[in-house]
This record gives sequence, structure tokens and C-alpha cells, in this order.
Amino acid sequence: AQSVTQLDSHVSVSEGTPVLLRCNYSSSYSPSLFWYVQHPNKGLQLLLKYTSAATLVKGINGFEAEFKKSETSFHLTKPSAHMSDAAEYFCVVTSGYGGATNKLIFGTGTLLAVQP
Amino acid sequence: DTEVTQTPKHLVMGMTNKKSLKCEQHMGHRAMYWYKQKAKKPPELMFVYSYEKLSINESVPSRFSPECPNSSLLNLHLHALQPEDSALYLCASSPNLFGLAGGYNEQFFGPGTRLTVL
Repeated sequence: AQSVTQLDSHVSVSEGTPVLLRCNYSSSYSPSLFWYVQHPNKGLQLLLKYTSAATLVKGINGFEAEFKKSETSFHLTKPSAHMSDAAEYFCVVTSGYGGATNKLIFGTGTLLAVQP
Repeated sequence: DTEVTQTPKHLVMGMTNKKSLKCEQHMGHRAMYWYKQKAKKPPELMFVYSYEKLSINESVPSRFSPECPNSSLLNLHLHALQPEDSALYLCASSPNLFGLAGGYNEQFFGPGTRLTVL
């Protein structure tokens, strides 16, 4: 079975400082991993995805994530936080490998607060 | 058009009411999804349609009834709901289910319908 663990439920940073949101996964085979962002009262937006190509994945709004198989991690980073980055972030892994049974497995989420 | 739209944005209903949520996409996607999201929780998958046929039902109570009248439209019919059904209901679509077209197919989410059951 696949699972994903987000290590922090809340992260608070100051504007202009780096952001690190941590995610560890468990998978019996090569996973597809994603980060989604959800602003208050909004739907989910895909930030970036890893699907077994380059291990360093660049996403939208200056975010990137590195897939580290040896550490089973897929941490999300951004060099400099902006006030508009304040939102809930979900780390996600796919449950299947092909076929109609594939589903997204969500982490519990990390709420990012950005202080002025 | 890379958007999934959902109507209404907000819905308040009594436990004896019948209402419907609507989801629409014009990206040519053939897989569509309903999720339920409670406050401060991740989304939970309810239903998946693939090529207008119900592919996955995550043991959802029968008071929720999905319908996919065509490849662009997904409805969720609500009847005799309970207060604990109050949540944000999200619709999503993807080109296909994963693996059917090779590789992962990104899910595009709509803004959701905020449902309150009194």
C-alpha cells in the first residue's frame, strides 16, 4: 500500500525567507508524487509533479521539490516566501500503477503562514 | 479553456430537500471525479467516472447519487442529507485515468461547492 506523511501540520515563515515543507512517502514501486496548493475557500491547484523523470522538479510560483529515493522524501521548497504563498499544501502519491484503480492518496496537509 | 467550473458556489439545504451540484469541463477530459473535503482535512474521493461510466464508488451512502450525462458534465444529486454531510465538494477532471493513455494524467480541480445541511 502507498502512503504519504507530511511531517508538519503548520509552518510559519517571514516574508522573504525560505520555505521548506516536508513530505515522506511509502511505496512498493516507483511512485508518482505531487504537491497541490489550496488557498482559503478555493479548489486545489497543482504546483508540481514527479513522474520518474528528473529528480529535481520545478513548479509554478518559484516552488521546487526534490525526489530522494534513498530518503523516501519529496520536500517542497521555495527560496523566498511571499505573502500570497499562505495556503494549505498537500503532498500526494498515486495509489496504483496503471489501470482504472488509480487514486490520489493525500497527505494530511501543511498550513503555511507567511508573516510580514 | 483549462478550467473546471462548479455551480453553485454555496448551497444551504434542509435534511428533506433534494438538490444537485453541477460540474463542467471543456478540456476534452474523459475522467471526472467527485471529492468531499471537511474543514482542515484532505479531500476524500467519492466517485470516479471514466468515459461517462461509473468506475469507482468509494462506498458512498446512497443519499449521494452521481450522474454523468455527457463527457463534459458531472452532476451530484443530493437527497435526505445529514448535517455531517456539510463540507466542500470538489470536482476534478483528467485526460484519462492513470495508465490508460500511458503516464500520469494530472487532475484539474474546480473551486468547489460549499454545502451546509441544516
